[in-house]
Amino acid sequence: GNSVTQMEGPVTLSEEAFLTINCTYTATGYPSLFWYVQYPGEGLQLLLKATKADDKGSNKGFEATYRKETTSFHLEKGSVQVSDSAVYFCALSPPSGGSNYKLTFGKGTLLTVNP
Amino acid sequence: DAGVIQSPRHEVTEMGQEVTLRCKPISGHDYLFWYRQTMMRGLELLIYFNNNVPIDDSGMPEDRFSAKMPNASFSTLKIQPSEPRDSAVYFCASSPDRGSYNEQFFGPGTRLTVL
Repeated sequence: GNSVTQMEGPVTLSEEAFLTINCTYTATGYPSLFWYVQYPGEGLQLLLKATKADDKGSNKGFEATYRKETTSFHLEKGSVQVSDSAVYFCALSPPSGGSNYKLTFGKGTLLTVNP
Repeated sequence: DAGVIQSPRHEVTEMGQEVTLRCKPISGHDYLFWYRQTMMRGLELLIYFNNNVPIDDSGMPEDRFSAKMPNASFSTLKIQPSEPRDSAVYFCASSPDRGSYNEQFFGPGTRLTVL
């Protein structure tokens, strides 16, 4: 079955540091890949997505590249801010077609950015 | 455009009581999902609907849990009788049918505490 593995947290960084959160997946075919972010006390929000191999998703300074050869979708940001403190979830969606629209989520990585 | 609306935001009840959680999806979305989030188990998909029809309820923990979607703008998740281990944050999410990938929009969640 489909699965997502992301690095365990918590991750604590100083403001302006470089961020990497690793995510690898197991799936048949070419799934779509997502990063969701959950701020304290809120629901999850889509941060970025990539729907085919070698696509780069980007938003709010965050980037992730869909690497089919390494089955990875690592999240990066060059300079984090205190406001980036949140839980980050990697997720995949099965290839198009069929009736299975379930997202498979990783366990989440808590990021804390200190001033 | 209003996002996914959930009510109540917080619910405290005693063991054995019936609990009903409510969700209004984004207008025009064809899919509705119910999730449960706990520290121990992370984010779990309980059930999802397509055009008001339940498609996959394999994540529903036991018969005490039931979900309905009587129309395109309303869904309920009911727990009867409730138990302390049901304490969690319950999220509702909706998604349009874009064919090629599944982007889900989450509500703010209902924090349930069963005493």
